[in-house]
Amino acid sequence: GAVVSQHPSWVICKSGTSVKIECRSLDFQATTMFWYRQFPKQSLMLMATSNEGSKATYEQGVEKDKFLINHASLTLSTLTVTSAHPEDSSFYICSGGRGVSQPQHFGDGTRLSIL
Amino acid sequence: QKEVEQNSGPLSVPEGAIASLNCTYSDRGSQSFFWYRQYSGKSPELIMSIYSNGDKEDGRFTAQLNKASQYVSLLIRDSQPSDSATYLCAVSRDDKIIFGKGTRLHILP
Repeated sequence: GAVVSQHPSWVICKSGTSVKIECRSLDFQATTMFWYRQFPKQSLMLMATSNEGSKATYEQGVEKDKFLINHASLTLSTLTVTSAHPEDSSFYICSGGRGVSQPQHFGDGTRLSIL
Repeated sequence: QKEVEQNSGPLSVPEGAIASLNCTYSDRGSQSFFWYRQYSGKSPELIMSIYSNGDKEDGRFTAQLNKASQYVSLLIRDSQPSDSATYLCAVSRDDKIIFGKGTRLHILP
Protein backbone atom coordinates (compact mmCIF):
# COMPACT_ATOMS: atom_id res chain seq x y z
CA GLY A 1 0.00 0.00 0.00
CA ALA A 2 0.89 3.66 -0.21
CA VAL A 3 3.49 4.88 2.23
CA VAL A 4 3.97 8.30 3.71
CA SER A 5 7.21 8.94 5.55
CA GLN A 6 7.35 11.69 8.15
CA HIS A 7 10.46 12.97 9.87
CA PRO A 8 11.52 13.63 12.52
CA SER A 9 9.40 11.50 14.81
CA TRP A 10 10.28 13.45 17.95
CA VAL A 11 11.72 16.89 18.50
CA ILE A 12 12.59 18.60 21.76
CA CYS A 13 13.89 22.14 21.50
CA LYS A 14 14.08 25.48 23.21
CA SER A 15 11.48 28.18 22.93
CA GLY A 16 12.15 30.44 19.96
CA THR A 17 13.56 27.70 17.76
CA SER A 18 12.13 27.00 14.32
CA VAL A 19 11.40 23.36 13.56
CA LYS A 20 10.95 21.79 10.14
CA ILE A 21 8.92 18.62 9.65
CA GLU A 22 9.11 16.68 6.41
CA CYS A 23 6.43 14.53 4.85
CA ARG A 24 7.28 12.37 1.85
CA SER A 25 5.11 10.16 -0.29
CA LEU A 26 7.34 7.21 -1.10
CA ASP A 27 5.45 5.35 -3.79
CA PHE A 28 2.95 7.80 -5.20
CA GLN A 29 2.71 11.41 -6.25
CA ALA A 30 0.62 13.68 -4.08
CA THR A 31 -0.58 16.97 -5.47
CA THR A 32 -2.32 17.55 -2.17
CA MET A 33 -1.16 16.73 1.32
CA PHE A 34 -2.72 17.62 4.63
CA TRP A 35 -1.22 18.73 7.92
CA TYR A 36 -2.93 18.00 11.22
CA ARG A 37 -2.27 18.75 14.85
CA GLN A 38 -3.51 16.67 17.73
CA PHE A 39 -3.35 17.52 21.42
CA PRO A 40 -3.48 14.72 24.01
CA LYS A 41 -6.86 13.02 24.23
CA GLN A 42 -8.31 15.37 21.63
CA SER A 43 -9.42 14.81 18.07
CA LEU A 44 -7.42 15.38 14.91
CA MET A 45 -7.46 19.01 13.83
CA LEU A 46 -6.77 19.98 10.24
CA MET A 47 -4.29 22.84 10.08
CA ALA A 48 -3.77 23.31 6.38
CA THR A 49 -3.95 21.81 2.94
CA SER A 50 -0.64 21.71 1.13
CA ASN A 51 -0.87 22.12 -2.65
CA GLU A 52 2.03 21.24 -4.92
CA GLY A 53 3.32 24.32 -6.70
CA SER A 54 0.98 26.76 -5.03
CA LYS A 55 0.23 28.32 -1.69
CA ALA A 56 -1.16 26.27 1.12
CA THR A 57 -4.72 26.73 2.28
CA TYR A 58 -4.94 27.30 6.01
CA GLU A 59 -7.88 26.54 8.27
CA GLN A 60 -9.47 29.32 10.24
CA GLY A 61 -7.44 30.26 13.29
CA VAL A 62 -4.17 28.78 12.02
CA GLU A 63 -1.47 31.42 11.56
CA LYS A 64 0.13 31.04 8.16
CA ASP A 65 3.19 33.04 9.20
CA LYS A 66 3.65 30.76 12.17
CA PHE A 67 3.21 27.49 10.34
CA LEU A 68 5.00 27.71 7.01
CA ILE A 69 4.12 25.05 4.49
CA ASN A 70 6.10 24.30 1.36
CA HIS A 71 5.08 21.72 -1.23
CA ALA A 72 7.80 22.10 -3.82
CA SER A 73 7.49 18.66 -5.37
CA LEU A 74 4.90 15.96 -5.84
CA THR A 75 6.52 13.84 -3.16
CA LEU A 76 7.53 16.30 -0.48
CA SER A 77 5.68 18.71 1.76
CA THR A 78 7.28 20.48 4.71
CA LEU A 79 5.81 22.21 7.72
CA THR A 80 8.00 24.70 9.56
CA VAL A 81 6.92 25.85 12.99
CA THR A 82 8.60 29.22 13.29
CA SER A 83 9.74 30.65 16.61
CA ALA A 84 8.08 27.80 18.45
CA HIS A 85 6.74 28.29 21.96
CA PRO A 86 5.55 25.81 24.59
CA GLU A 87 1.94 26.16 23.43
CA ASP A 88 3.01 24.80 20.04
CA SER A 89 3.93 21.50 21.68
CA SER A 90 1.71 18.89 20.07
CA PHE A 91 1.56 15.85 17.81
CA TYR A 92 1.82 16.91 14.17
CA ILE A 93 0.70 14.49 11.48
CA CYS A 94 0.70 14.69 7.70
CA SER A 95 -1.33 12.70 5.23
CA GLY A 96 -1.36 12.21 1.51
CA GLY A 97 -3.07 10.11 -1.10
CA ARG A 98 -3.36 9.62 -4.84
CA GLY A 99 -6.23 12.09 -4.73
CA VAL A 100 -8.53 13.64 -2.15
CA SER A 101 -11.23 11.12 -3.05
CA GLN A 102 -8.74 8.30 -2.52
CA PRO A 103 -7.70 6.90 0.85
CA GLN A 104 -5.36 9.15 2.78
CA HIS A 105 -2.24 7.61 4.22
CA PHE A 106 -0.76 9.11 7.32
CA GLY A 107 2.81 9.64 8.35
CA ASP A 108 3.83 8.30 11.73
CA GLY A 109 3.58 11.80 13.19
CA THR A 110 6.03 14.16 14.85
CA ARG A 111 5.88 14.75 18.56
CA LEU A 112 7.05 18.31 19.18
CA SER A 113 8.02 19.42 22.67
CA ILE A 114 9.04 23.02 23.21
CA LEU A 115 10.79 23.75 26.49
CA GLN B 1 -24.90 20.68 12.01
CA LYS B 2 -21.43 19.18 12.07
CA GLU B 3 -20.23 17.90 8.73
CA VAL B 4 -19.24 14.48 10.00
CA GLU B 5 -20.68 13.27 13.29
CA GLN B 6 -19.68 10.35 15.44
CA ASN B 7 -20.60 9.40 18.97
CA SER B 8 -17.47 10.06 21.02
CA GLY B 9 -18.02 7.03 23.24
CA PRO B 10 -16.46 5.24 24.92
CA LEU B 11 -18.24 2.27 23.43
CA SER B 12 -17.62 -0.82 25.53
CA VAL B 13 -18.04 -4.20 23.86
CA PRO B 14 -17.30 -7.66 25.31
CA GLU B 15 -14.53 -9.64 23.66
CA GLY B 16 -15.90 -11.80 20.87
CA ALA B 17 -18.99 -9.66 20.31
CA ILE B 18 -19.77 -7.39 17.37
CA ALA B 19 -18.80 -3.75 17.70
CA SER B 20 -20.92 -1.32 15.72
CA LEU B 21 -19.60 2.15 14.98
CA ASN B 22 -21.74 4.78 13.33
CA CYS B 23 -21.16 7.99 11.41
CA THR B 24 -23.46 10.50 9.76
CA TYR B 25 -22.51 13.23 7.31
CA SER B 26 -24.20 16.36 6.09
CA ASP B 27 -22.95 16.84 2.51
CA ARG B 28 -25.14 14.83 0.12
CA GLY B 29 -22.53 15.24 -2.60
CA SER B 30 -19.95 13.27 -0.65
CA GLN B 31 -18.33 10.65 -2.79
CA SER B 32 -15.85 8.65 -0.76
CA PHE B 33 -16.01 7.29 2.74
CA PHE B 34 -13.28 5.93 4.95
CA TRP B 35 -12.74 4.36 8.32
CA TYR B 36 -9.47 4.82 10.18
CA ARG B 37 -8.23 3.38 13.44
CA GLN B 38 -6.01 5.38 15.76
CA TYR B 39 -4.25 3.91 18.75
CA SER B 40 -3.29 6.26 21.55
CA GLY B 41 -0.15 8.20 20.68
CA LYS B 42 -0.07 6.90 17.11
CA SER B 43 -1.21 8.29 13.79
CA PRO B 44 -4.39 7.02 12.11
CA GLU B 45 -4.25 3.98 9.86
CA LEU B 46 -6.71 3.16 7.12
CA ILE B 47 -9.06 0.24 7.77
CA MET B 48 -11.50 0.45 4.90
CA SER B 49 -12.82 2.64 2.14
CA ILE B 50 -16.28 2.45 0.62
CA TYR B 51 -17.67 4.33 -2.35
CA SER B 52 -21.08 2.85 -3.19
CA ASN B 53 -24.19 1.92 -1.27
CA GLY B 54 -24.21 -1.42 0.46
CA ASP B 55 -21.80 -3.51 2.43
CA LYS B 56 -18.11 -4.08 1.95
CA GLU B 57 -16.37 -6.80 3.90
CA ASP B 58 -12.68 -7.21 4.68
CA GLY B 59 -11.85 -9.89 7.19
CA ARG B 60 -13.56 -9.10 10.48
CA PHE B 61 -14.53 -5.63 9.28
CA THR B 62 -17.65 -4.66 7.35
CA ALA B 63 -18.35 -1.14 6.19
CA GLN B 64 -21.91 -0.17 5.36
CA LEU B 65 -22.94 2.87 3.35
CA ASN B 66 -26.39 4.33 2.91
CA LYS B 67 -26.20 7.54 0.90
CA ALA B 68 -29.94 8.21 1.10
CA SER B 69 -29.70 8.29 4.88
CA GLN B 70 -26.22 9.88 4.81
CA TYR B 71 -24.99 7.18 7.09
CA VAL B 72 -21.89 5.01 7.13
CA SER B 73 -21.06 2.37 9.68
CA LEU B 74 -18.30 -0.04 10.59
CA LEU B 75 -18.93 -3.45 12.09
CA ILE B 76 -16.15 -5.38 13.79
CA ARG B 77 -16.91 -9.07 14.28
CA ASP B 78 -15.29 -11.23 16.94
CA SER B 79 -13.95 -8.15 18.71
CA GLN B 80 -10.48 -8.50 20.20
CA PRO B 81 -8.77 -6.45 22.92
CA SER B 82 -6.39 -5.21 20.20
CA ASP B 83 -9.37 -3.53 18.53
CA SER B 84 -9.53 -1.08 21.42
CA ALA B 85 -8.76 2.26 19.79
CA THR B 86 -10.39 5.40 18.46
CA TYR B 87 -12.15 4.93 15.14
CA LEU B 88 -12.34 7.89 12.78
CA CYS B 89 -14.88 8.28 10.03
CA ALA B 90 -13.82 10.41 7.06
CA VAL B 91 -15.87 11.71 4.16
CA SER B 92 -14.55 13.33 1.02
CA ARG B 93 -15.89 15.31 -1.90
CA ASP B 94 -13.92 16.98 -4.67
CA ASP B 95 -11.02 18.71 -2.95
CA LYS B 96 -12.08 18.30 0.64
CA ILE B 97 -11.88 15.51 3.17
CA ILE B 98 -13.56 15.86 6.54
CA PHE B 99 -12.85 13.71 9.58
CA GLY B 100 -15.23 13.04 12.42
CA LYS B 101 -13.93 13.43 15.95
CA GLY B 102 -13.81 9.71 16.44
CA THR B 103 -15.43 7.06 18.62
CA ARG B 104 -13.41 5.45 21.39
CA LEU B 105 -13.92 1.70 21.41
CA HIS B 106 -13.04 -0.40 24.41
CA ILE B 107 -13.11 -4.17 24.11
CA LEU B 108 -13.69 -5.80 27.48
CA PRO B 109 -11.61 -8.96 28.01
